[in-house]
Amino acid sequence: GQQLNQSPQSMFIQEGEDVSMNCTSSSIFNTWLWYKQDPGEGPVLLIALYKAGELTSNGRLTAQFGITRKDSFLNISASIPSDVGIYFCAGLRTTSGTYKYIFGTGTRLKVLA
Amino acid sequence: EPEVTQTPSHQVTQMGQEVILRCVPISNHLYFYWYRQILGQKVEFLVSFYNNEISEKSEIFDDQFSVERPDGSNFTLKIRSTKLEDSAMYFCASSVDVGGGGELFFGEGSRLTVL
Repeated sequence: GQQLNQSPQSMFIQEGEDVSMNCTSSSIFNTWLWYKQDPGEGPVLLIALYKAGELTSNGRLTAQFGITRKDSFLNISASIPSDVGIYFCAGLRTTSGTYKYIFGTGTRLKVLA
Repeated sequence: EPEVTQTPSHQVTQMGQEVILRCVPISNHLYFYWYRQILGQKVEFLVSFYNNEISEKSEIFDDQFSVERPDGSNFTLKIRSTKLEDSAMYFCASSVDVGGGGELFFGEGSRLTVL
């Protein structure tokens, strides 16, 4: 099936640093969503991207829908301790009228104060 | 703000028992989903549901699983005879549509522990 690979798998950063993570696939996706998940909770939607090349910001977060429609990246600027968590990308694949969001493998972020 | 709600938050069951997980999607949403997350792993698609029928299902969603929308508000996932490997967090999600405004909103999850 379709696979979404996220990198890095995990990262430790200092508070105040910028963070970049990406999501790549061999398949084309029509929508990209980025989520953050805290332990024991459900994923919370951060940013949605609908068109190839689209660049969207949400506060300190910026995400881009890759031109090839096979990748997306998420940047977090000036990280703070509450940015700790697991970040997932999700790509929407539509096939013959059916719809499925595929999730990436996740990037675990740890921020050192 | 509207949200997806799930019950129970945690269920412990014996292997072989039937389990029903319940979800109330956001009221004006039309597409409903179940996902599963084994501890420490990625979120895996189980099934999507639209217009009172399954739209798509994964290879995980075998004959032991079924979904139902018994009334206008609830969306349930039934596992007929639970196995140890069914232990996971089960997330319900909904979206208004998937074409233009297909943002997927998740519930807090139901943790299933099979002993």
